[in-house]
Amino acid sequence: QQPVQSPQAVILREGEDAVINCSSSKALYSVHWYRQKHGEAPVFLMILLKGGEQKGHEKISASFNEKKQQSSLYLTASQLSYSGTYFCGTQGVQNSGGYQKVTFGTGTKLQVIP
Amino acid sequence: DGGITQSPKYLFRKEGQNVTLSCEQNLNHDAMYWYRQDPGQGLRLIYYSQIVNDFQKGDIAEGYSVSREKKESFPLTVTSAQKNPTAFYLCASSIPSGEQFFGPGTRLTVL
Repeated sequence: QQPVQSPQAVILREGEDAVINCSSSKALYSVHWYRQKHGEAPVFLMILLKGGEQKGHEKISASFNEKKQQSSLYLTASQLSYSGTYFCGTQGVQNSGGYQKVTFGTGTKLQVIP
Repeated sequence: DGGITQSPKYLFRKEGQNVTLSCEQNLNHDAMYWYRQDPGQGLRLIYYSQIVNDFQKGDIAEGYSVSREKKESFPLTVTSAQKNPTAFYLCASSIPSGEQFFGPGTRLTVL
């Protein structure tokens, strides 16, 4: 089942912060975050495994609450280069001997303006 | 340089024709995927393969077919049974449960 992302779109001024949320109705093994610029392929940002860890990538970090089956992506002091569509991808709890496919949300369009 | 290549970048198809999209990777990844993306939409999984000579249907497999004869290659055929094939097609590869590396995509348009 497709994860739900919110908000669907957000406009920021340079230097402002934003939070993008991703929630699933099923138990999760991992959450992936990707950014896609217009007409290009998605680029990997980070992956979070169950265990409630938080990761960071420059001024972009994320958290994963496995009990709530939710993940949040935090963008601080946004830059013009942060503009794009952000996708979360969720992977269900692994069965022994295999792994489940990643299911992507519909994306959050982020625009950073000067 | 390791990566994923897709060809062609743009493809035009007449109604009723089958077309094949190429995807090649030299990352030595076992898993490969095909996604379809429509304007303003997320990524929908068409097919995926975890090992050579094995593949599984994704969420929207109808009208598509794949093969996985080599670890490096995972071509996608869009058949005439796919009624609305105009879209951006993305191929990806990964280690199991790892980050997905995407190719540059093929934009398919039906004339």
